[in-house]
Amino acid sequence: QSALTQPPSASGSPGQSVTISCTGTSSDVGGSNYVSWYQQHPGKAPKLMIYEVSKRPSGVPDRFSGFKSGNTASLTVSGLQAEDEADYYCCSYADSNNSYVFGTGAKVTVL
Amino acid sequence: QVQLQQWGAGLLKPSETLSLTCAVYGGSFSGYHWSWIRQPPGKGLEWIGEINHSGSTNHNPSLKSRVTISIDTSKNQFSLKLSSVTAADTAVYYCARRDTSKYYMDVWGKGTTVTVSS
Repeated sequence: QSALTQPPSASGSPGQSVTISCTGTSSDVGGSNYVSWYQQHPGKAPKLMIYEVSKRPSGVPDRFSGFKSGNTASLTVSGLQAEDEADYYCCSYADSNNSYVFGTGAKVTVL
Repeated sequence: QVQLQQWGAGLLKPSETLSLTCAVYGGSFSGYHWSWIRQPPGKGLEWIGEINHSGSTNHNPSLKSRVTISIDTSKNQFSLKLSSVTAADTAVYYCARRDTSKYYMDVWGKGTTVTVSS
């Protein structure tokens, strides 16, 4: 299984919005409502930010939102704050072999 | 609040077997799948596999032939063994929890750095 494709980087000024895409195939993103997003700060473990395409765990600000259309999922961070600067990874369940595939990762920079 | 504490050998030679263990504290052990994920230096995350409390496993097809995931329910621990390691297996290895009825990892360990070098 190949990694999901994400842009290497995205950036925005404080208060602006940034959207990260995550492109897979019909065998993973396109065929699954189980897309999740993780935030990772340098030297830290990933943190769950979005699950089941668009749901937010308790404690995650509503500035974070998720969407999916076809084989592409996306994460939008609105009202960018300095602490949002991190790497973001998408992840999809692939039911053909009961496995998970992560995206290549995108670095979000707050200008 | 559930916490995952992981440990294992940090330096291996090529062809050796990587061995890591993750202990679960402060939460239920059943009703979850327990996962291993790795991250090579400067690169992205890669799902390795998972096990539930009954010992049923799922694996990344690309690593399946070298991976053994086991569980010790008496100690609330699960383990990863990766055989015949090469420099390409150098990575930070994370353990994580997934509710069996869900499809995401919600609790992660802090990670263990494993380096393969002759």
